[in-house]
This record gives sequence, structure tokens and C-alpha cells, in this order.
Amino acid sequence: NAGVTQTPKFQVLKTGQSMTLQCAQDMNHNSMYWYRQDPGMGLRLIYYSASEGTTDKGEVPNGYNVSRLNKREFSLRLESAAPSQTSVYFCASSEIPGQSNQPQHFGDGTRLSIL
Amino acid sequence: AQKVTQAQTEISVVEKEDVTLDCVYETRDTTYYLFWYKQPPSGELVFLIRRNSFDEQNEISGRYSWNFQKSTSSFNFTITASQVVDSAVYFCKLAGNNRKLIWGLGTSLAVNP
Repeated sequence: NAGVTQTPKFQVLKTGQSMTLQCAQDMNHNSMYWYRQDPGMGLRLIYYSASEGTTDKGEVPNGYNVSRLNKREFSLRLESAAPSQTSVYFCASSEIPGQSNQPQHFGDGTRLSIL
Repeated sequence: AQKVTQAQTEISVVEKEDVTLDCVYETRDTTYYLFWYKQPPSGELVFLIRRNSFDEQNEISGRYSWNFQKSTSSFNFTITASQVVDSAVYFCKLAGNNRKLIWGLGTSLAVNP
């Protein structure tokens, strides 16, 4: 009953460090998403992958890269972390590619602090 | 332009009160979908309901009910006899033809014993 699994759950980085947030889903979903959530700003889409082998930018892609490693896994990389990237990051998945009418299933989030 | 407005930033009620969370949307699409999600204090977002633009029937699920009115572009969420476990942030989301997902900023509901 895992659903969407994100690792790590918490991370503290220094400015300039790099790291990769991992996301895996076991629901055989095609589409995957990365969001960041900041106080008063709701959920903002960083990148999404409509299906295996494709990725597209969302609203706030600067400073991030993604890799859709296979159908199950979608990772988010911060190459040179900045304090403005302090946030809670959520990975989500949905079943049918290219269909925005599908419910999204979310992971528990990664709380990232950049000092 | 597409937009979702959740005008109530925070709501505080006492247990057993009824509470309605408002969601007003803007879209020019004729086909669209509306969603509600719950984010409890533990942090994960949980899907509650999806409604398409051709189905204006109200929906009831236990203490939860949803009122979709195209005439006022609203998709409001009512919790009857609220409980402490209903304390969460609730998000409304719009999905239109262009595949963009438009999220509201959320309403934080506190249900006090």
C-alpha cells in the first residue's frame, strides 16, 4: 500500500550544495509531477512528466532539473542549492498520460532547508 | 485566463458546527474538471473528489458534501458536524482543456474541541 514514496523526508543543505530528491510510485501511473509548497503560495509546479521518456517545465523550473528514470521513478535535482529553494517538495502521480482530469496521488513530502 | 480563488484563508470553528469552504473558479473552457484535496497536519495531500463540468449534481459522502454551481462558477465544500480530525488545509483545483492544473491557495480549517 505504498503509493508514492519520497526520500528523504527531511534534509538540510548549505548554499551551493547539490542534492537529488527521489520519488517512486507503485501504482503503474504514467504521469508524474514535482511541486513545491511555500507558505501563502499554495502548490507550484516545478516539472512534470506526462509519460515515461518525457519531461516538461512547470511554473517554477529555474534551479531544478528532473529525470524520469523509468515509469516508476521521477527524481528532482538541485544543482546548486539556494536559500530561496527552502520549501516542502511534493511528488505526485496520475494514471493517464496527458489527461489533466485524473486525480493526483501525492507523496508525504520532503522538507528541505537551505542555509 | 484560468483562476481558482479560495477567499477564506483561515477558518476556525467549534466541533459539531457546520462549515462551508468556498471555491470560485474562472475558465473559458466548456469542458473542465474541479477537484478538492485535503492536507492534514501530517502533510500529505489526499484527493477527496472530482467533478466534471457537465455534472452539476451535488455530491454527499458521509459528513462531506459538495455544491457545484456553474451559474456562479463555484464548487463549494461543506463539512457537516465538523470534527477535530477535519482540521486541515483544503485545496480546490481546476483542470481545463489545456492540461494546466490551477490550484487555489488553500483554506486552513481549524476545528476546536
